[in-house]
Amino acid sequence: DAGVTQSPTHLIKTRGQQVTLRCSPKSGHDTVSWYQQALGQGPQFIFQYYEEEERQRGNFPDRFSGHQFPNYSSELNVNALLLGDSALYLCASSLFRGEAFFGQGTRLTVV
Amino acid sequence: RKEVEQDPGPFNVPEGATVAFNCTYSNSASQSFFWYRQDCRKEPKLLMSVYSSGNEDGRFTAQLNRASQYISLLIRDSKLSDSATYLCVVNNDMRFGAGTRLTVKP
Repeated sequence: DAGVTQSPTHLIKTRGQQVTLRCSPKSGHDTVSWYQQALGQGPQFIFQYYEEEERQRGNFPDRFSGHQFPNYSSELNVNALLLGDSALYLCASSLFRGEAFFGQGTRLTVV
Repeated sequence: RKEVEQDPGPFNVPEGATVAFNCTYSNSASQSFFWYRQDCRKEPKLLMSVYSSGNEDGRFTAQLNRASQYISLLIRDSKLSDSATYLCVVNNDMRFGAGTRLTVKP
């Protein structure tokens, strides 16, 4: 059984560009949450998707958007990248309100 | 007040020591709580859930105090391999604490 998989693992983008990160949840999980983790900080909640809808959202600007597909996989889109968006982006899957399992993350560098 | 707050750490303890971490949460309606462990440059991994009655898993004990709105993690007989960052999670809000870094030294 594959766990949570994220792609790509590393990415370098230029300021102002747009990026799409992808996440496939653990088999049987229907909820996907996205986090941003800066170096030395705890993961910051971006948003959560359940039944293809955004259910909760953290304190992130509208440049951060997402989508969940019928197969429960999810995408995180970030527009107009800023240098400060450089971070590890973690995807976690769970059953709704259950324990979360994380992917290995996508390390995004904005130059 | 932050939604989830943890002891800032870092904690540097000798092998064999007992160490405890606390985590406070602001939403009194929160229902599910977890402790995660994160190794350097790795993803967080579930360490244990926190149940209302408290629960133990080997050297690890987790407790919940609803009246004071905090959860705790106790590690007994610390091992070198326990060195990591420990994160508490309030799952209703999907909020993580900032993490407490533990270093166990020989």
